Amino acid sequence: DTGVSQNPRHKITKRGQNVTFRCDPISEHNRLYWYRQTLGQGPEFLTYFQNEAQLEKSRLLSDRFSAERPKGSFSTLEIQRTEQGDSAMYLCASSPRGQGARNEKLFFGSGTQLSVL
Amino acid sequence: AQTVTQSQPEMSVQEAETVTLSCTYDTSESDYYLFWYKQPPSRQMILVIRQEAYKQQNATENRFSVNFQKAAKSFSLKISDSQLGDAAMYFCANQGGSEKLVFGKGTKLTVNP
Repeated sequence: DTGVSQNPRHKITKRGQNVTFRCDPISEHNRLYWYRQTLGQGPEFLTYFQNEAQLEKSRLLSDRFSAERPKGSFSTLEIQRTEQGDSAMYLCASSPRGQGARNEKLFFGSGTQLSVL
Repeated sequence: AQTVTQSQPEMSVQEAETVTLSCTYDTSESDYYLFWYKQPPSRQMILVIRQEAYKQQNATENRFSVNFQKAAKSFSLKISDSQLGDAAMYFCANQGGSEKLVFGKGTKLTVNP
């Protein structure tokens, strides 16, 4: 168990640029989640995958945001035409598939801190 | 809609003492789950304890326990014998009706030696 890995740890970009973050979940974890955390707030749910299928998306995930998990392993989160309001920490989490239980423990990565100038 | 409220932005406790962090929530779901997560400066969220709403018995994990008052929609976290390593942000979260967790704004816990 090497933990959930997120890259890069920090990203500074100029407004209008595109950025992509990567998340490598714990091996054999079927479920993968993206959350966003702004300063002074708790994490907010963005989207969730079971294997390669994106099963739930928050209304927070505007058209500029896209997430993929093409082979059911790692995932990428891309933000197009970044805005200053996108500055936040983007957290990835994974969990093993249970018997329909929703209370499974989530294993979080250390996040990618995005700063949009 | 689910909401989670943590009314204490900051709390402090002396090492070896006991501290209680408050959390209230609102949900229309009959089947839901409640969690406390810890976020140290490393930023990695770590599950502290979880409670199934259908269970009346309060969950405990070593020095951590909860006081779950379902009718009052209250879910407080008690940390006994506080240690310096307990210093962190603590987030209360609710999950019901979907896969997403809804988090509160967090409570910053300081442990004084």
